[in-house]
Amino acid sequence: DAKTTQPTSMDCAEGRAANLPCNHSTISGNEYVYWYRQIHSQGPQYIIHGLKNNETNEMASLIITEDRKSSTLILPHATLRDTAVYYCIVRVDPFSGNTPLVFGKGTRLSVIA
Amino acid sequence: GAVVSQHPSWVICKSGTSVKIECRSLDFQATTMFWYRQFPKQSLMLMATSNEGSKATYEQGVEKDKFLINHASLTLSTLTVTSAHPEDSSFYICSASGQGNYGYTFGSGTRLTVV
Repeated sequence: DAKTTQPTSMDCAEGRAANLPCNHSTISGNEYVYWYRQIHSQGPQYIIHGLKNNETNEMASLIITEDRKSSTLILPHATLRDTAVYYCIVRVDPFSGNTPLVFGKGTRLSVIA
Repeated sequence: GAVVSQHPSWVICKSGTSVKIECRSLDFQATTMFWYRQFPKQSLMLMATSNEGSKATYEQGVEKDKFLINHASLTLSTLTVTSAHPEDSSFYICSASGQGNYGYTFGSGTRLTVV
């Protein structure tokens, strides 16, 4: 799986959009970009994933650059409950459950009132 | 959506005793379970992978005789920390995938404190 690079930490004002970047310059053509988050003392929670098109769901939007070497997770209106560590993971085949997710260090997002 | 129930949420045990952590998939068949460990301010580290009805595959450096994993049914996997020591104190998290589940679902984690 391709390596990802994320900033260690970020702050965001409550109600503002939180934009979390992720670099994955060695991504292969068949690798997807996943985002998970982990709120303190809880298990990771799936947010969104994509291959090359931008994706949006009820939680967030995922913007993937045309060359697919980087992506941005957008939380459109951050709340205090969005304070968590956000993990960007790149891997082949999101539908295969035979291989584990490998977590990097992630970005610690602090939403400030 | 897919739900994985993990129990207990937290446990304190004496050094030398054993602790069992359960992970259940409530609405899907978990053909594969993954067990992670997380130390404070660190990321999740994979300990082992188990497929239903098979022996678990452990990551390098994880003692299989100390961390016993059982995955005897499609809805239940257990992790038993045997002869626990203070250095085993950590946050243990399970993850499940399988039929009827999209992607991976994580349990809520178990905080183990060995005193």
